Amino acid sequence: EAGVVQSPRYKIIEKKQPVAFWCNPISGHNTLYWYRQNLGQGPELLIRYENEEAVDDSQLPKDRFSAERLKGVDSTLKIQPAELGDSAVYLCASSFGGQTGGYTFGSGTRLTVV
Amino acid sequence: GESVGLHLPTLSVQEGDNSIINCAYSNSASDYFIWYKQESGKGPQFIIDIRSNMDKRQGQRVTVLLNKTVKHLSLQIAATQPGDSAVYFCADHTGFQKLVFGTGTRLLVSP
Repeated sequence: EAGVVQSPRYKIIEKKQPVAFWCNPISGHNTLYWYRQNLGQGPELLIRYENEEAVDDSQLPKDRFSAERLKGVDSTLKIQPAELGDSAVYLCASSFGGQTGGYTFGSGTRLTVV
Repeated sequence: GESVGLHLPTLSVQEGDNSIINCAYSNSASDYFIWYKQESGKGPQFIIDIRSNMDKRQGQRVTVLLNKTVKHLSLQIAATQPGDSAVYFCADHTGFQKLVFGTGTRLLVSP
């Protein structure tokens, strides 16, 4: 099993430019999460999907961030325009509904905005 | 608000020693916690979990202790190895809706 796959692994962009991250969850996992992890801190939830429905996007800065999960499988997270403060690691995770054991995380995309 | 915090940012130990990483939480209604290990360049990896109806749970070389009275939990790693070097997070997974992570403790293991 490949686990949660994210791409790209690294991205460097200039401020005000758009950027997109892609996530392929574990097969059969209906719940998908995007987390943001600032340097030296724990991950913080941005958005949670149950199948293709965003059920918790309360922490997503909607003025510049958007996400989609078409067909309830892969997901993309977009930032437009990016700001210097968006520099962070963006982690995708998946699980099979609510369950013990937490989630399986991908390796993340490290975004640097210059 | 809900928060999960750690007491020490960095813990340095010698190989073979036992390590103890501490975590405090603020929500008395929290009832399910997970410890994660995060190596450089990787996402958090599940280590062990514990529910509030337990005080202690053991895994392979790891033990988690939960003290609900003082809202504190700890992760004990026996015979720490260089491969244990990583950042460790406790996370509140009450209700399975989301994980609330603390800041993390960096464990450095020297030979």
